[in-house]
Parts: sequence; structure tokens; C-alpha cells
Amino acid sequence: AQSVTQLGSHVSVSEGALVLLRCNYSSSVPPYLFWYVQYPNQGLQLLLKYTSAATLVKGINGFEAEFKKSETSFHLTKPSAHMSDAAEYFCAVLPSLQGAQKLVFGQGTRLTINP
Amino acid sequence: EAQVTQNPRYLITVTGKKLTVTCSQNMNHEYMSWYRQDPGLGLRQIYYSMNVEVTDKGDVPEGYKVSRKEKRNFPLILESPSPNQTSLYFCASSRAASGNTIYFGEGSWLTVV
Repeated sequence: AQSVTQLGSHVSVSEGALVLLRCNYSSSVPPYLFWYVQYPNQGLQLLLKYTSAATLVKGINGFEAEFKKSETSFHLTKPSAHMSDAAEYFCAVLPSLQGAQKLVFGQGTRLTINP
Repeated sequence: EAQVTQNPRYLITVTGKKLTVTCSQNMNHEYMSWYRQDPGLGLRQIYYSMNVEVTDKGDVPEGYKVSRKEKRNFPLILESPSPNQTSLYFCASSRAASGNTIYFGEGSWLTVV
């Protein structure tokens, strides 16, 4: 069974500092991996996704993530945090099986940006 | 504009009073599903549908029903809501093939008192 672990339910960084949100997954088959962002009182927005092409994936708003199969990780980074990045971030895994569109989510990480 | 639309967005109801949360998508997607979001648990799938008249249970189906009579609509039915169903609910849709982007609605806040 697939599972996702996000290390740290709360992460706080200063404006302009590096953002690093950690995600580790377990999957019995090669997975697709996603990062979603949820701004306050809003729905989920796709930041980026890995679908077995390039291991370094660039997303919206300056975020990127690197798929590391040996570490079963898909950490999300952004070189310089902005106040507008404050939100909750979810890592999710999807098995690469035909017709299987069930996302398994991590617990979420709430990102706070300090002025 | 590609959209997944849920209604109502906010609802406070009483235990045992049947309610329906509607979901509609305008992308002609085959696959639709419902998730609930609870603090510390992330999102968990309630039910999903691969196409019209094809539905199946997700991880937490107890207390919920769904139907898929039309491709664009996938309502979530709580026949007899209980306080433990107080949650934030998301509807999602995508093309059937695995790996396609899954689009989410804006969420429905449901409180059962």
C-alpha cells in the first residue's frame, strides 16, 4: 500500500530564506508524485507533479521538487520565500497503474513566513 | 475555464438531517472522487467513480453515499449525518488515465451539531 510522510507539520522560515518541505513516500510500483498548496479558505492547487520524466520538476510560483528514487523522497524547495507562500502544502502519491487515480496524501505541512 | 464546483461551500446542520453536497465538473472527465480533510490526517478518499454508473468505496466510506447518473455530476450524500462527519470536503475530477492532473473543487465546510 502506498503511503506518504511529510516531516514537520509546521515549518517557519524568514522572508527571503530557503523553503524546504520534506516528503517521503512508499509505493510498491513506480509512482506519480504531486505537491498541492492550499491557501487559507481555498481549495487545493497543483504546484507540480512528477510523472517519470525529468527527476527535477519545476512548478508554479518558483517552487521545484526533486524525485530521488534511492531515498524515496520528493522534497519541495523554493530558493527565496515570499510572504505570499504562507499556506498548507500537501505531498501526494499516485500509483502508476492504469485507471488508478486515487491520490494518497501526506498529513500536510503548514508553512509560515516571518517578516 | 476548467472548474470543479461544489455546493454548498459552508453548511451547519444537525445530527440525523439528510444532506447532499453537489459536485459538478465542466471538463468531461471520466474520473471523479470525494475526499475529506481533517487536521493531522491530510485528505482521505471517501468514494470514487470511474465513469457513469460506476462507483466504488475509498478509504473512509462509512456514513456516505454517492451516485453518478451523469458524467458531470457526482453528489455526496450523508443520509444521517453525525458529528464525526464534521470536516472539510473536496470533490475532484480527472481524465481516467493514471497520472493525469487531478482538479479539486474549492471545498465544502460541513459542521454537524
